[in-house]
Amino acid sequence: EVQLVESGGDLVQPGGSLKLSCAASGFIFSSYSMSWVRQAPGKGLEWVSYITSRSTTIYYADSVKGRFTISRDNAKNSLYLQMNSLRDDDTAVYYCARRSQGGFYFDYWGQGTLVTVSS
Amino acid sequence: EIVMTQSPATLSVSPGERATLSCRASQSVNSNLAWYQQKPGQAPRLLIYGASTRATSIPARFSGSGSGTEFTLTISSLQSEDFAVYYCQQCDNWPPVTFGQGTKVEIK
Repeated sequence: EVQLVESGGDLVQPGGSLKLSCAASGFIFSSYSMSWVRQAPGKGLEWVSYITSRSTTIYYADSVKGRFTISRDNAKNSLYLQMNSLRDDDTAVYYCARRSQGGFYFDYWGQGTLVTVSS
Repeated sequence: EIVMTQSPATLSVSPGERATLSCRASQSVNSNLAWYQQKPGQAPRLLIYGASTRATSIPARFSGSGSGTEFTLTISSLQSEDFAVYYCQQCDNWPPVTFGQGTKVEIK
C-alpha cells in the first residue's frame, strides 16, 4: 500500500525557517517524481515545488522561489521541503504528492502537515 | 500560466440526482486534465486523469469529458459520500501546475 506521511509542521514566526519531511513507503520511491502542494485555510490547492526521481530537475512556484528548497534522499525514501524567510501567507497545510508516471497529475497524497506563520 | 476556472462555486444537489461540474482552461490543455475530490480534513484523492480515465477504485458513477479548454465532471447519481469539494488541474503546460478554485457539492 502506498503511504506518504508528512511531518515537521509547526508554528513559526514571520521570517523564520522550517523543514518539512515526507516519508514514503509501499512503492519504489526512487522511480517517481514528487511534489509539494499546499492549501491555505479555507482555500484551494496551490502547487509549490517539484523534483524528479534523481533530483536532476527541480521547479518552484513563483510565490516560493528563492525561499523554499525541495530535496530528496532516495536511500531514506524521503522528500523534504526547506522553507526560509517564511511569511504569513505561507500558512497552509502542506501535502507531499506522488506524480503519476503517466502524466503530471498526482495519484497519491499524504495527509498533510500544518505550517502556521504568525507572530 | 494557465488559469483554470471552475463553475459553479457551489452546487446543491439531492442524493440520487446528477451533478455536473465545469472546468475551463485559459488556453488549450488538450486532454491533460485531472479531477480530484477532497473531503473535509482529508487529502485530495485522484478521480479522473487524461480528462476521462477513472483512477483506480473510482466508481463508475464518476465520469469526465472534454478537451481543449472545456471540461466536465459528471456524477451520475450522487451518494452521501460524494458530497465534497472537487478540483480540476491542468497537466499540459508546466511549470506551474495549476488547479481550479474548486466546486463544493453540497446536500440540497
